Amino acid sequence: SAVISQKPSRDICQRGTSLTIQCQVDSQVTMMFWYRQQPGQSLTLIATANQGSEATYESGFVIDKFPISRPNLTFSTLTVSNMSPEDSSIYLCSVEGLTYEQYFGPGTRLTVT
Amino acid sequence: AQSVTQPDIHITVSEGASLELRCNYSYGATPYLFWYVQSPGQGLQLLLKYFSGDTLVQGIKGFEAEFKRSQSSFNLRKPSVHWSDAAEYFCAVNAGNMLTFGGGTRLMVKP
Repeated sequence: SAVISQKPSRDICQRGTSLTIQCQVDSQVTMMFWYRQQPGQSLTLIATANQGSEATYESGFVIDKFPISRPNLTFSTLTVSNMSPEDSSIYLCSVEGLTYEQYFGPGTRLTVT
Repeated sequence: AQSVTQPDIHITVSEGASLELRCNYSYGATPYLFWYVQSPGQGLQLLLKYFSGDTLVQGIKGFEAEFKRSQSSFNLRKPSVHWSDAAEYFCAVNAGNMLTFGGGTRLMVKP
């Protein structure tokens, strides 16, 4: 299974600002995924990031709010833009394994004040 | 579209007792099925997976799950729960390169 790291592990931000979350994988992967986990909730897929192409966003998520970069096969970033308290969540990245399972990073816990 | 239902939001068991967490899915064909565990402040760890073959699958930490096509279920079991098993458990289905999660079951373990 892949080893995934995320930075930062947590942050407290003021409303109206932006935060960029980094996700690093220890092996080359085709697809990377970004999820949001709101307090006490399950995971919701934000977008799928393929290297060399635009990210594919799920319903309810837009590129202007959550721009994603995927510069190579081991790295991706998610930016949470113009933050409001409703953006307070855990943000997780993941990669897909050989039998469609996904392996997750430790998450970034974001609090917006 | 696929969906996953975990009927129990919270479950409390005594340490040493057996455990069963329920999961039902909705999908037209046989999906790939997974159970994940999330300890407080942690990411998700894969416990086990089913994608074909034997319908009883073994996972890490002494967990097992049984796929029942007739009931569209994939229940997670453990014969004897340890205090360290207290966590949030998520069932998930992958159908068409998209992982869909259930709402989660929070397990509490009484000493």
